[in-house]
Amino acid sequence: QQQVRQSPQSLTVWEGETAILNCSYENSAFDYFPWYQQFPGEGPALLIAIRSVSDKKEDGGFTIFFNKREKNLSLHIKDSQPGDSATYFCAARNSGTYQRFGTGTKLQVVP
Amino acid sequence: NAGVIQTPRHKVTGKGQEATLWCEPISGHSAVFWYRQTIVQGLEFLTYFRNQAPIDDSGMPKERFSAQMPNQSHSTLKIQSTQPQDSAVYLCASSFDRAEQYFGPGTRLTVL
Repeated sequence: QQQVRQSPQSLTVWEGETAILNCSYENSAFDYFPWYQQFPGEGPALLIAIRSVSDKKEDGGFTIFFNKREKNLSLHIKDSQPGDSATYFCAARNSGTYQRFGTGTKLQVVP
Repeated sequence: NAGVIQTPRHKVTGKGQEATLWCEPISGHSAVFWYRQTIVQGLEFLTYFRNQAPIDDSGMPKERFSAQMPNQSHSTLKIQSTQPQDSAVYLCASSFDRAEQYFGPGTRLTVL
């Protein structure tokens, strides 16, 4: 049972565009949603995270928009650069449990 | 701070052999997690420890897989009688409060 779903599976954008990565979840008890960035040959690295009490979180060019009622969130990468090309994982958890990860979105930013 | 250390980075075993993967968490972190990553299944949770005690191993295959954390400075994942389907990248992560996990670079296991 996949509790966290991501779309699209892969995404290609031009340099300078905003990339939008989507995530949805099933368990309404989830209250913490981190996004991880993974480059080939490396482990995932925490990029940005949001708690369910907020509907938006910004950090540099990365923004999470969170919709608790619809149980979905999105990661916006503003002014995408080729160096942002990576796989992005959405995760979710609630207190007392481990994080569940989505299947990832592979982003390619074309110069 | 060296981050989470995983050794070896690559391991090749023959079918039926044993494989032991090592993880050294970040000093001071109380939780250690093991994941398996494949193209098909993505990131799969295997097991986790808090303060060296096993908390949840619901993701571990029932046979051939075992994990231990004998002290706060390292954890091991052992796979007995490895099979080709065990080929994957095994990731270890540690955290202080379970909210932010810091991943190691992974061990790529190839079973021939």
